[in-house]
Amino acid sequence: EAGVTQFPSHSVIEKGQTVTLRCDPISGHDNLYWYRRVMGKEIKFLLHFVKESKQDESGMPNNRFLAERTGGTYSTLKVQPAELEDSGVYFCASSQDGLAAYGYTFGSGTRLTVV
Amino acid sequence: GENVEQHPSTLSVQEGDSAVIKCTYSDSASNYFPWYKQELGKRPQLIIDIRSNVGEKKDQRIAVTLNKTAKHFSLHITETQPEDSAVYFCAASMGGYSTLTFGKGTMLLVSP
Repeated sequence: EAGVTQFPSHSVIEKGQTVTLRCDPISGHDNLYWYRRVMGKEIKFLLHFVKESKQDESGMPNNRFLAERTGGTYSTLKVQPAELEDSGVYFCASSQDGLAAYGYTFGSGTRLTVV
Repeated sequence: GENVEQHPSTLSVQEGDSAVIKCTYSDSASNYFPWYKQELGKRPQLIIDIRSNVGEKKDQRIAVTLNKTAKHFSLHITETQPEDSAVYFCAASMGGYSTLTFGKGTMLLVSP
């Protein structure tokens, strides 16, 4: 089966610009997660979708971040306007069942650099 | 919320040596502890996990131990090989719909 796909793999933007990251989960996986790793730090949870609904968005840092999952398939994460501290690697993961912490499959991530 | 501490941040060993990475967690309700390996430029991949009803689990050269009383768990890699070089992340979760809380990662370098 195809894995979790993320694109772009890299993005370099200027402070104040907008960037949209996309994640295509494994087909049939209702649970989709966004995580972020800032350089040298832990991978931190951003939010969790179950189908098209936001199950938990407690990790979203502020209102410059907007995540959507229309139709319960792929998801987008928009950062607008981007700030320097938003730089990092954004990971998406998906899982099949409600035991969301079991059997995560991660994508390769999008490396975002804000200059 | 849960807090996971991971040590060391970097670990250099010679091929054939053993490597040990340690993690502690804060929330006694956590009951699932996976370990992920991330090679350069690739996705984090689950290599082994342990649940709170067991104290140790082994898979070939990799083993994980869990001490629920002390709230710590460790990854042990024996007979290390250069291809073991990667960043390793520990994580903790309460299962169900809860998410994973990760440690900061350990960069393991195995020299031939």
